Amino acid sequence: QKEVEQDPGPLSVPEGAIVSLNCTYSNSAFQYFMWYRQYSRKGPELLMYTYSSGNKEDGRFTAQVDKSSKYISLFIRDSQPSDSATYLCAMIFAGGTSYGKLTFGQGTILTVHP
Amino acid sequence: EAQVTQNPRYLITVTGKKLTVTCSQNMNHEYMSWYRQDPGLGLRQIYYSMNVEVTDKGDVPEGYKVSRKEKRNFPLILESPSPNQTSLYFCASSLTAGGFHEQYFGPGTRLTVT
Repeated sequence: QKEVEQDPGPLSVPEGAIVSLNCTYSNSAFQYFMWYRQYSRKGPELLMYTYSSGNKEDGRFTAQVDKSSKYISLFIRDSQPSDSATYLCAMIFAGGTSYGKLTFGQGTILTVHP
Repeated sequence: EAQVTQNPRYLITVTGKKLTVTCSQNMNHEYMSWYRQDPGLGLRQIYYSMNVEVTDKGDVPEGYKVSRKEKRNFPLILESPSPNQTSLYFCASSLTAGGFHEQYFGPGTRLTVT
């Protein structure tokens, strides 16, 4: 079983839709949770991060973490064609023997069509 | 301009011919790491380094070597490349590994081993 599981999609939605991207994880030692966005032929860029259970909002984006269920989500409101990209969840250990090790999900390919 | 640079950006080589992919950052970051990205598998960490002369294995270290003799450089060495190392490689850096710090990714190196 992979430590981090993410539905690879692809996901295709119309402009203006609400998008929900999800990851589950198995290791409760993960402390920090991130979402990266990767455009075609580019390196990933950080979109959002959080470390506690609950919601964190930034403009049209909301990151949600449920540590009890080992589940994280990214919601995109009023999706735009410019949001078309691959979205990767990522988690990092903050202590122990794997301190500093970063684990990514498989990435979800999102297309927002006009 | 703050950035992570990788060279070469594209490389086609033959099985068994040793190669090095360079990575350099100009942000005085302590933490550097290497990833490979393959379709359906997402980003997988190969090696990471918390500081000069400190390196640790990630999830897929077999067939790779790294060194961290200077803070700014973190080369990835393939002593005897094989076709299963054909992939897209990313180098990344962050201020430290402690707590959370954004990882900055390089532009990627597309490697083909025939």
